[in-house]
Parts: sequence; structure tokens; C-alpha cells
Amino acid sequence: GQQLNQSPQSMFIQEGEDVSMNCTSSSIFNTWLWYKQDPGEGPVLLIALYKAGELTSNGRLTAQFGITRKDSFLNISASIPSDVGIYFCAGQFGNEKLTFGTGTRLTIIP
Amino acid sequence: GAVVSQHPSWVICKSGTSVKIECRSLDFQATTMFWYRQFPKQSLMLMATSNEGSKATYEQGVEKDKFLINHASLTLSTLTVTSAHPEDSSFYICSAWRIGENTEAFFGQGTRLTVV
Repeated sequence: GQQLNQSPQSMFIQEGEDVSMNCTSSSIFNTWLWYKQDPGEGPVLLIALYKAGELTSNGRLTAQFGITRKDSFLNISASIPSDVGIYFCAGQFGNEKLTFGTGTRLTIIP
Repeated sequence: GAVVSQHPSWVICKSGTSVKIECRSLDFQATTMFWYRQFPKQSLMLMATSNEGSKATYEQGVEKDKFLINHASLTLSTLTVTSAHPEDSSFYICSAWRIGENTEAFFGQGTRLTVV
């Protein structure tokens, strides 16, 4: 099935650094969702975006719904060890099924 | 706390046997649930859409006779892997939509299936 282009694929950063990742699509969505998945667990919803241009924060996380409706980014400020995991974006048009990104694996170097 | 509960979290079964995985929405009714499969280091691949009161909709390439889905109530969907083989070993995840002013998709904890 279709997948969204998510970048970077992986990131190696030091604790305290900021993180930025994004998702792009060839088609428009009217919902963008960002999830975090820990090993052996299901994805956990971090932020949901419902309007083009919307900028939403959840603690140290900030996500934006691109104005073209074809992209979204997620920023994490001042990373901490528990931020380690795989981050997935997902787009939805109407009530159609979710389309997932390829994932960004975040590793924090001690 | 979790709004979607999946059980079991892991299961080991012998080749040829069937395994049932349950997905429950805990504090909302879900007319639509989804079943995904995830291989190591890969994204989630949708297998089927489970609809309460009607037949499931399977994605292309997913055998409906092998992966039986039953959406028995507004809070429960089950996935049965029939006549399991080692190649069915994977991480299976369910999802349920909470419909409100905005629709939110929540995921279960996942089930690690190992077929020996």
C-alpha cells in the first residue's frame, strides 16, 4: 500500500539537542497524526492536526500541518533519553484509512 | 491510560494451529477497527478494516480465509490467524477510531506472534 515519505530515516543525537522530522505526500490530507512507538509496543498518539497551517504543541513536542496539506513536521525540543523510539506520521483524507510514513528512528547518544 | 486494549501481548503456537487476538476499545464505541501487521524495522501495513455488523474489508494480497476477522460488538474485534505457519510470525496491531468532533485513531499494545 501507499506510504508517506518520512525523513530522516534515522537520527543520532545527543541528549539536550532539538530534533526535527517531516513527512511529505503526493496527495492532500485533512488530518495529520504523529505517533511514537517503543519496541514491542503499539504506536501512541502524540499530536493530531486537523487544519492546514495549524501549529500544535504537546509539552516539548510541536507539530505543524503544512499549508499545502501535503506535508507536516514534528519538532522535539531539548531531547531526553525517553524520547528514544520510532516516530511515525500518518495522514488521513476524510474518513478513509490512515496512510503511514516510513518512520524515523531516534537514538540518543550518551 | 490505554483506550484500546489488545490481548494477548505475545503468543507462541505450533504450526498448523489457530490463534485468536482480541482488540477492545475501553471507553468508547468503535464501529470501525483496523488490523495491521508490522515487520521488524518497518512501518505498519494495513491488513483489513473491521466493520461492526458487516464483513471486513481486506487489503490486496491479504488472504481473508487465513486471517479471519470478526467485529462482534461495538467494543470488540478479533483476528484469528488460521493454520498458522512460521511465515505468519509477526507483530500484529489493532486500531480503533474514536469518533467525535475530530476523529482520533488509537492503537492497541500489539501482539507478538511466533509460530514454531
